[in-house]
Amino acid sequence: QPVLTQSSSASASLGSSVKLTCTLSSGHSTYIIAWHQQQPGKAPRYLMKLEGSGSYIKGSGLPDRFSGSSSGADRYLTISNLQFEDEADYYCETWDTSIVFGGGTKLTVL
Amino acid sequence: QVQLQESGPGLVKPSETLSLTCTVSGGSISSLYWSWIRQPPGKGLEWIGHIYYSGSTSYNPSLKSRVTISVDTSKNQFSLKLTSVTAADTAVYYCARGASVTDSWGQGTLVTVSS
Repeated sequence: QPVLTQSSSASASLGSSVKLTCTLSSGHSTYIIAWHQQQPGKAPRYLMKLEGSGSYIKGSGLPDRFSGSSSGADRYLTISNLQFEDEADYYCETWDTSIVFGGGTKLTVL
Repeated sequence: QVQLQESGPGLVKPSETLSLTCTVSGGSISSLYWSWIRQPPGKGLEWIGHIYYSGSTSYNPSLKSRVTISVDTSKNQFSLKLTSVTAADTAVYYCARGASVTDSWGQGTLVTVSS
């Protein structure tokens, strides 16, 4: 089964950009992942599906400020022009015989 | 756009069975995968299992002995049963839809296990 590794926290200033990383375990570097956002007290929200090629498909209504990219086993979520409402937990997800989530990254907007 | 809504008791006694139902609206349940995912207070997301509309299931190995997920296509609903619950099963339970990855979430329902 794949394992997804995320940093526990990240921070960036209002109006700046941040790049969050999700790393796939050895032997799973080609796997497709999804990114989800969970604002405080709310249910997760699907953001995008991201392939190893870097190609991604965003969920409905997601602003252009959100983008995805890939390099080897790393999958990235970049948020530009950070807003206070982007302060949230971000989870990556993949699947094999089971669905697997990363531990999540708590993003603070300063 | 598909919407999912969880329903069921918010309080379950230890050793009893947790039962939840997810009602799907705005789309048919007769395609794709339908999942249950939970989140203990202050912790991350844990996949419980999913069911295909045909009835085939897949469960988290750590919960497999206690979990049953079923589907009722006539009601556009799917359900979760988790037996022999303990305080460690206290969590917000989400139902969700997936094709390969999860792409729609319910709002979640808090289930507390306590006597």
